Amino acid sequence: DSGVTQTPKHLITATGQRVTLRCSPRSGDLSVYWYQQSLDQGLQFLIQYYNGEERAKGNILERFSAQQFPDLHSELNLSSLELGDSALYFCASSPYNNEQFFGPGTRLTVL
Amino acid sequence: AQRVTQPEKLLSVFKGAPVELKCNYSYSGSPELFWYVQYSRQRLQLLLRHISRESIKGFTADLNKGETSFHLKKPFAQEEDSAMYYCALKGDRGSTLGRLYFGRGTQLTVWP
Repeated sequence: DSGVTQTPKHLITATGQRVTLRCSPRSGDLSVYWYQQSLDQGLQFLIQYYNGEERAKGNILERFSAQQFPDLHSELNLSSLELGDSALYFCASSPYNNEQFFGPGTRLTVL
Repeated sequence: AQRVTQPEKLLSVFKGAPVELKCNYSYSGSPELFWYVQYSRQRLQLLLRHISRESIKGFTADLNKGETSFHLKKPFAQEEDSAMYYCALKGDRGSTLGRLYFGRGTQLTVWP
């Protein structure tokens, strides 16, 4: 499968902890986007990277950060976790400003 | 400000009946509109984009700039159409360029 992959699939952790979510884009895609899907907020754009550089920022908390590495994979770091951070986190990739292809998501549960 | 509104959280129809999922948007520029579908426990998949004007799985959607709407329609619903449908807008300028703004989604259930 040459689509977008995300690891881990599920993550259960405690409040105050820090986790890292990983995303591998489709082969050749330079743009990576992160989205959060929660019951109360719906699907919200968090941040975009293009070829290693941050391009756009959405409703991303200061406790969250991301980066895109030279091999184009991306990581989303969530720290000082709160109960409200429990959500499904999607990564998407695209060649540039074209159709975005979504990964299967990482379900984060904060207890 | 950019916003996508899907007024119906839930929509149920019987198999073979027509279905219309509503989407309205607000955006000051020239947005690109999309419909994404999410089947149970699967990833979001692109269903339609307004610029391609194609029909996928029998679904069509027309961008109405006057009414700022992009409703999704299918003349004869099938049980396999049951899924969550998201309308999305892609910005065309500045900080909105490339990012998707999603509606809250409509859960479509097609009964046999």
